[in-house]
Amino acid sequence: SQTIHQWPATLVQPVGSPLSLECTVEGTSNPNLYWYRQAAGRGLQLLFYSVGIGQISSEVPQNLSASRPQDRQFILSSKKLLLSDSGFYLCAWSVHSKHEQFFGPGTRLTVL
Amino acid sequence: DQQVKQNSPSLSVQEGRISILNCDYTNSMFDYFLWYKKYPAEGPTFLISISSIKDKNEDGRFTVFLNKSAKHLSLHIVPSQPGDSAVYFCAASGRNDMRFGAGTRLTVKP
Repeated sequence: SQTIHQWPATLVQPVGSPLSLECTVEGTSNPNLYWYRQAAGRGLQLLFYSVGIGQISSEVPQNLSASRPQDRQFILSSKKLLLSDSGFYLCAWSVHSKHEQFFGPGTRLTVL
Repeated sequence: DQQVKQNSPSLSVQEGRISILNCDYTNSMFDYFLWYKKYPAEGPTFLISISSIKDKNEDGRFTVFLNKSAKHLSLHIVPSQPGDSAVYFCAASGRNDMRFGAGTRLTVKP
C-alpha cells in the first residue's frame, strides 16, 4: 500500500531563517505531487505541483520554492522566512489518471 | 480567487440526525468533485467523490449530490455520529490541480 511521509511534524523558525520541508511517498511510481498551505482559519491553498522529476508548477508568487530531486521526493524551501509563512503545510500525491489526492500528516510551521 | 466556496464555517447537529454540508463553485471547467475530512493537526482524508457526469454518489452513511446547473454540491451524512465531528473540505478538480473550499467545522452532539 502507498504511504506518504512528511517531516518535521512541527517547526519553529525565526524570521529570515531558511526552510526545508521534506515529503516522500512510498508504494507508487511517478506520482503527481503537491504542496498545500492551510493558514489559520482558512482553506487549503495550492502552492506547487509536480507531474515528474524536475517539473514544478507554481500557483502563487511567494518566497517559497519547491524541488523534486527524485521521483517520490518533494521538497519545499525558502531562503528567508517571513512571518506570513506560518501555517500548516501539507504534501499530497495522486495517480496521474485519477483525481483523488492523498495527504501526508502535515508540518506545523511557526515563524517568530 | 475563491473558485470553491463553503459559506458555512460551522455546523452543529444532534447525533442521529442528518448533517448537510454545502459547497458552491464558479469554474464550469471543474469535472470532478471531492469531499475530505480533517481532524486537527492531521492531513485531510478522502471521503467521497463524484464525477460531473453523475448527480449522486452514495457510500454508506455519506451521499454527495451534484447540481451542475447551479454549480452546487452537498454532502449528506445520515445518521450523524459524534465521530463525524471534524472539518470537512469540499474540493473541485480540473487538469492537474484541485481547488479547496475554506472548510466547514461539523460538530455532532451526543
